[in-house]
Amino acid sequence: DGGITQSPKYLFRKEGQNVTLSCEQNLNHDAMYWYRQDPGQGLRLIYYSQIVNDFQKGDIAEGYSVSREKKESFPLTVTSAQKNPTAFYLCASTLGRSRTGELFFGEGSRLTVL
Amino acid sequence: AQTVTQSQPEMSVQEAETVTLSCTYDTSESDYYLFWYKQPPSRQMILVIRQEAYKQQNATENRFSVNFQKAAKSFSLKISDSQLGDAAMYFCAYRSGVEKSSGDKLTFGTGTRLAVRP
Repeated sequence: DGGITQSPKYLFRKEGQNVTLSCEQNLNHDAMYWYRQDPGQGLRLIYYSQIVNDFQKGDIAEGYSVSREKKESFPLTVTSAQKNPTAFYLCASTLGRSRTGELFFGEGSRLTVL
Repeated sequence: AQTVTQSQPEMSVQEAETVTLSCTYDTSESDYYLFWYKQPPSRQMILVIRQEAYKQQNATENRFSVNFQKAAKSFSLKISDSQLGDAAMYFCAYRSGVEKSSGDKLTFGTGTRLAVRP
C-alpha cells in the first residue's frame, strides 16, 4: 500500500543534541512538507520541497534543517538551535500542482527534549 | 498572508445528533481551496471534505457537509448523525489556487476538539 512513513514515532533527546526525523513516501509525490503541531496552535509549516534538491523555508524554519536528495525522502533535522523542540511533527506530501491540493500525512513523530 | 480561524476550541455532541464546527478565513484571492481534516487519537490526519472556491454548491461526503459562504469567508462543517468514531480534532485549512512558487502548502486553523457523548 502507498503511503507516508515517519520514524521514529517517539524520540527523546537531551538538550544540545541534534536529532533527525525520517519521512519516506512511496506515492510518487513531487512535493513534501514538514509541519509542527503544538497544543492550541494548530499545524505550522517548517519546510517544504517541491522538487528534488530544492526546498524552501516555511513559517517557523529557525532551528531546523532539511534535505531532499531523493524524491521519496525528506528528512528533518531538529538542531540544538531550536529553542523549544518538544512537539509533534507531521510529514506530508502532495502530487504537486494538483487541482485538489490534498495533503497526505504520515502518522507523525513525537519529540521530547529531556 | 492568509489566516484561518477556528473560534471553538472544544465542542460536544450527543451521539446521533448534528453538530456544526465553525471556520473563517481571510484572503484577498478569489481562487482557492478549503479543507476539513480530522485527527483522531491515533494522530493520523485524514481528509474529511474539500471545497473549491469557484464552486457555488456546497460539498458533501456522506454524513459530512459544508456551508461555504464565500462573501462572508466562512466555511463550517456539519456532521450529521454523529458517531462515537467522529470524536477527534478537526482542522480547517486553506490553500491558494494561484500558481506560485509557494506550492501547495496549506494554512491551518488551530483546531476544534469534538467529543461525542454516548
